[in-house]
Amino acid sequence: DAGVIQSPRHEVTEMGQEVTLRCKPISGHDYLFWYRQTMMRGLELLIYFNNNVPIDDSGMPEDRFSAKMPNASFSTLKIQPSEPRDSAVYFCASSARVQPQHFGDGTRLSIL
Amino acid sequence: DAKTTQPNSMESNEEEPVHLPCNHSTISGTDYIHWYRQLPSQGPEYVIHGLTSNVNNRMASLAIAEDRKSSTLILHRATLRDAAVYYCILRIDNFNKFYFGSGTKLNVKP
Repeated sequence: DAGVIQSPRHEVTEMGQEVTLRCKPISGHDYLFWYRQTMMRGLELLIYFNNNVPIDDSGMPEDRFSAKMPNASFSTLKIQPSEPRDSAVYFCASSARVQPQHFGDGTRLSIL
Repeated sequence: DAKTTQPNSMESNEEEPVHLPCNHSTISGTDYIHWYRQLPSQGPEYVIHGLTSNVNNRMASLAIAEDRKSSTLILHRATLRDAAVYYCILRIDNFNKFYFGSGTKLNVKP
C-alpha cells in the first residue's frame, strides 16, 4: 500500500508569495490531519477533516492559512501571503476512523 | 490539552532493553495512551497504543500502571535504528485529535 504522499518535499519561496502544500491520504482513510513542526513549538495540529469536512481548525494560526479537501483523495494547505515565520516542516497524516495515524514525509517550507 | 510528561532524553546501549517512561496523571477513564516515534527527517510513526491492559506488538511493549497515571514503552533490544524522538500521547475519548508534547530523544550507542 502506498503511504500518505505529500508534495512538494521542499519549497523555498519569498515572503508574500502564495504557497500550496498538497497531500494524498491513504485510500480508504476517512480522517486527514495537517500538522506543523518547528523547533520552538514542536508538532502542532493545525486542522483535521473527517469525510472531507473540516472538523476542528482551532490550530490554524491565522487567516492567512486555509485548508481544503475537495475529495477523499486530495487535500491542500494554502498560505497567502507567506511570511518568514511560516517556515517549518508541514506534515499530513491520515487514519481510518480512530485507528493510528499514518504520516507523510513532510514538506520542508522555507520563506525568505 | 491532555498533558503527558516525559524525560527530555535517554541513552541506551545497542541490544539492551530500553524503558521509556511517561506520566499522565490527569488521564480519564476513556483516554487511550498512544506512542509514536519520529526518526530524523521523517514523519512520526505509530508504535503502539493501549487503554488499560499491557500490550505487545512486533515493535514494542506497552506497560500501563494499574491506576493508569503512568505508562512505559519497552523496546526489548534497542538497535541503532531505534534512535528517535518518542512521543507519549493521550487520545481523548473518541476524538481523533492528538497533542504531541516534546517527547523523549533516545540515543542508542553501539
